[in-house]
Amino acid sequence: AQSVTQLDSQVPVFEEAPVELRCNYSSSVSVYLFWYVQYPNQGLQLLLKYLSGSTLVESINGFEAEFNKSQTSFHLRKPSVHISDTAEYFCAVSRSNTGKLIFGQGTTLQVKP
Amino acid sequence: DAMVIQNPRYQVTQFGKPVTLSCSQTLNHNVMYWYQQKSSQAPKLLFHYYDKDFNNEADTPDNFQSRRPNTSFCFLDIRSPGLGDAAMYLCATSRDLGPANEKLFFGSGTQLSVL
Repeated sequence: AQSVTQLDSQVPVFEEAPVELRCNYSSSVSVYLFWYVQYPNQGLQLLLKYLSGSTLVESINGFEAEFNKSQTSFHLRKPSVHISDTAEYFCAVSRSNTGKLIFGQGTTLQVKP
Repeated sequence: DAMVIQNPRYQVTQFGKPVTLSCSQTLNHNVMYWYQQKSSQAPKLLFHYYDKDFNNEADTPDNFQSRRPNTSFCFLDIRSPGLGDAAMYLCATSRDLGPANEKLFFGSGTQLSVL
C-alpha cells in the first residue's frame, strides 16, 4: 500500500526567507509524485510533478522539488517566499498503472511580513 | 473561467436527511472523482467514474453513492448523513487514468455541515 507523510502541519516563515516543505512516501512500486497547492477558498491546483527524467522539477512561480529515491522523499523548496505563497500545500503520489492520487495531510505555509 | 464547478459552496443538512452534492465540468474529461477532506486531514478518494464505469474505493461506506448521468455532471449522494460526514467534498476531473493522468483539475469544494 502507498502512503504519503508530510512531516509539518504548519510552517510559519517571514517574507523573502527560504522555505522547505517536507514530504516522504512509501510504495513498493514505481510512482509519480506531485505537489498541489490550495489557496484560500479555492480548489487544489497542480504546482509541479515528477514523472520521470530529471529528479529536480520546477514550477513557474519559483518552487522546486527534488525526487530522492533512496530517501523516498519529494521535498518542496523555494529560496524566497512571498506573502501570496500563503496556502495549503499537499504532496501526493500516484501509482504508475492506476493514476489515482493518494494525498498527504497537507502543510499550511504561513508567510508573515 | 471555472472548469470544474461545485454547487453549493456550503451545504447544511440534518442528521439522517439525504443530501446531494453536485459537480459539473467543461473539460470533457473522461474521469471524475469525489474526495472527502476532513479538517486537517488528507483528501481521501471515495470513488471515481471512468466514463460510465463506477469504481468504488474499498473503504468507502455504503452510505455514499454517486451518479454520473452524462459526461459533464457527477453527483455525490449521502443517504443518511452522520455527524462524522461533515467535511469538505472535492470533485476533480482528469483526461484519463493511468500514465496519462498527469493532472487533476479540482473544483472549489462543497463544505458540508451536519446538524
